[in-house]
Amino acid sequence: EDQVTQSPEALRLQEGESSSLNCSYTVSGLRGLFWYRQDPGKGPEFLFTLYSAGEEKEKERLKATLTKKESFLHITAPKPEDSATYLCAVQARQAGTALIFGKGTTLSVSS
Amino acid sequence: GAVVSQHPSWVICKSGTSVKIECRSLDFQATTMFWYRQFPKQSLMLMATSNEGSKATYEQGVEKDKFLINHASLTLSTLTVTSAHPEDSSFYICSANSQGRGNQPQHFGDGTRLSIL
Repeated sequence: EDQVTQSPEALRLQEGESSSLNCSYTVSGLRGLFWYRQDPGKGPEFLFTLYSAGEEKEKERLKATLTKKESFLHITAPKPEDSATYLCAVQARQAGTALIFGKGTTLSVSS
Repeated sequence: GAVVSQHPSWVICKSGTSVKIECRSLDFQATTMFWYRQFPKQSLMLMATSNEGSKATYEQGVEKDKFLINHASLTLSTLTVTSAHPEDSSFYICSANSQGRGNQPQHFGDGTRLSIL
């Protein structure tokens, strides 16, 4: 069964304190892994797509990496505006275009 | 960039009422749109895949007669929650692949908060 597990469930950081979020997945043939940011009461906002192990993507203070079993979202020197829930999703080859989401990591950054 | 618009953003209604939610792709055509449901502190759960010009594909456990989906054009899909009850209260979110291609990331609407009294 295709599955996505994110950890930790919640993370509190001080401004400037770098950390990483984990997304472990099991899927029968990975088509793509996606990271989204979700603010309260809003839909998910697309951040990154990773397609193969070893791939990395960067955007401002965020960097996403991918291995054959997991993905990390590294946050460097976070700011309070980075506070949000970060969602990881996978797309399996045999599932068409449907996404399977993890439960997310809620990040709180205090100044 | 790709934009998906969802309307309304918030609905409060009495039990037994039917509620229609619209999902539009604003700057691209989407032959396929997706409807998700999200409970507080839970993951997004796919309810159904909406296909333009054909019947929607529902996930296991989702009642097709309860959640009616219509995808009559390349830019509009609607979800109607029929005879809604308090247990149907949730956050409903739609998405579509940018450029209408399956290997592109899905872009999401801002969701509809449905509260049934």
